[in-house]
Amino acid sequence: ELKVEQNPLFLSMQEGKNYTIYCNYSTTSDRLYWYRQDPGKSLESLFVLLSNGAVKQEGRLMASLDTKARLSTLHITAAVHDLSATYFCAVDISIYYGGSQGNLIFGKGTKLSVKP
Amino acid sequence: DGGITQSPKYLFRKEGQNVTLSCEQNLNHDAMYWYRQDPGQGLRLIYYSQIVNDFQKGDIAEGYSVSREKKESFPLTVTSAQKNPTAFYLCASNGVSGGQETQYFGPGTRLLVL
Repeated sequence: ELKVEQNPLFLSMQEGKNYTIYCNYSTTSDRLYWYRQDPGKSLESLFVLLSNGAVKQEGRLMASLDTKARLSTLHITAAVHDLSATYFCAVDISIYYGGSQGNLIFGKGTKLSVKP
Repeated sequence: DGGITQSPKYLFRKEGQNVTLSCEQNLNHDAMYWYRQDPGQGLRLIYYSQIVNDFQKGDIAEGYSVSREKKESFPLTVTSAQKNPTAFYLCASNGVSGGQETQYFGPGTRLLVL
């Protein structure tokens, strides 16, 4: 079964603290995405990770990929209130459908709340 | 401004009624997608289209239909066969940003059953 599991599903943090969100997936994939969703809004693309050992950083967020362990992490450094949102990881499974890319399976999301 | 537009923002459906959700993009992207999101859940793929006049079923296609007559447009019809249509529907297309291919999402349509 093709599955993507995120944990934790809910995360309450204090401002200034660090934390990591984990994304495990059950199948071979050459592409992993991280998205942010604010309440009632659409998804905003954060990172695309393409290869084993890939690391990308944008502001207080850093994403990494270990394809051998089928694990991606999203690390939050010195959290601020503006980071409060739901974060999704998604795995590209297009290779199983004969397409080049774009057929994604999403995790259930991690709802992050950063409190003062 | 390039982007993906979806309309309407909110849609109400009566029992037994078919409704159509619009998705338009002016990004010149070939591939387009429809997802459904239920409260507190991730997204699930309904249909996708890699090219004009061709489309494929996703994981939860039952009760839905699509067409792709133009590159810019990928409308989704929620038929009366879809017994639990209340959800947030997101349209997406694949494109390149900063040298990386990624999936861009429209603002979404929230469908409610009366």
